[in-house]
Amino acid sequence: DARVTQTPRHKVTEMGQEVTMRCQPILGHNTVFWYRQTMMQGLELLAYFRNRAPLDDSGMPKDRFSAEMPDATLATLKIQPSEPRDSAVYFCASGLGRVGPVNTEAFFGQGTRLTVV
Amino acid sequence: GQQVMQIPQYQHVQEGEDFTTYCNSSTTLSNIQWYKQRPGGHPVFLIQLVKSGEVKKQKRLTFQFGEAKKNSSLHITATQTTDVGTYFCAGLTQGGSEKLVFGKGTKLTVNP
Repeated sequence: DARVTQTPRHKVTEMGQEVTMRCQPILGHNTVFWYRQTMMQGLELLAYFRNRAPLDDSGMPKDRFSAEMPDATLATLKIQPSEPRDSAVYFCASGLGRVGPVNTEAFFGQGTRLTVV
Repeated sequence: GQQVMQIPQYQHVQEGEDFTTYCNSSTTLSNIQWYKQRPGGHPVFLIQLVKSGEVKKQKRLTFQFGEAKKNSSLHITATQTTDVGTYFCAGLTQGGSEKLVFGKGTKLTVNP
């Protein structure tokens, strides 16, 4: 059945290293979200794309984070350099976006659990 | 920016008791969605409310959208251990935005 696929599922890295997380949205979905989940902050929206174009990345620390969609089947979230405070679960979600006045549901991937030591 | 507040942060109940979580937005919403995240899992869509004053039911779950479209609630009747998890509301602001902003969630634990 259709699902959002995220890789890797777990990542442990040293401070200062580059981290790349990948997401394959559900085929046909035109909206992709990146969320970060921590105990303190909950689910924070980092960035989202519509038809591969970035619509909002105001939640993302610009100096070290970047998000791209090289093609419709791949979204990436990169952290360079990583810091211990970046440790969190990063979720990618996809959806069909807005259909008239209604927004369709977001389908979440399993997440990437990132630990920066 | 848009904020979605959710209370309580935690709720512990005995199996069979009712449970309610409340969601409030600082701005008028075009619609609101509810998600459930099981421990160690990912958020899973439950329902979407669009109309002012809308009420929807899914078995023991009742969802309401306020008249002003700024608040919402989820009520579970006679909780079961399978209801354990964190319940999130997520709102979209009016004006065509597709920015889905989540509340911090209510973590529900159920004592058997």
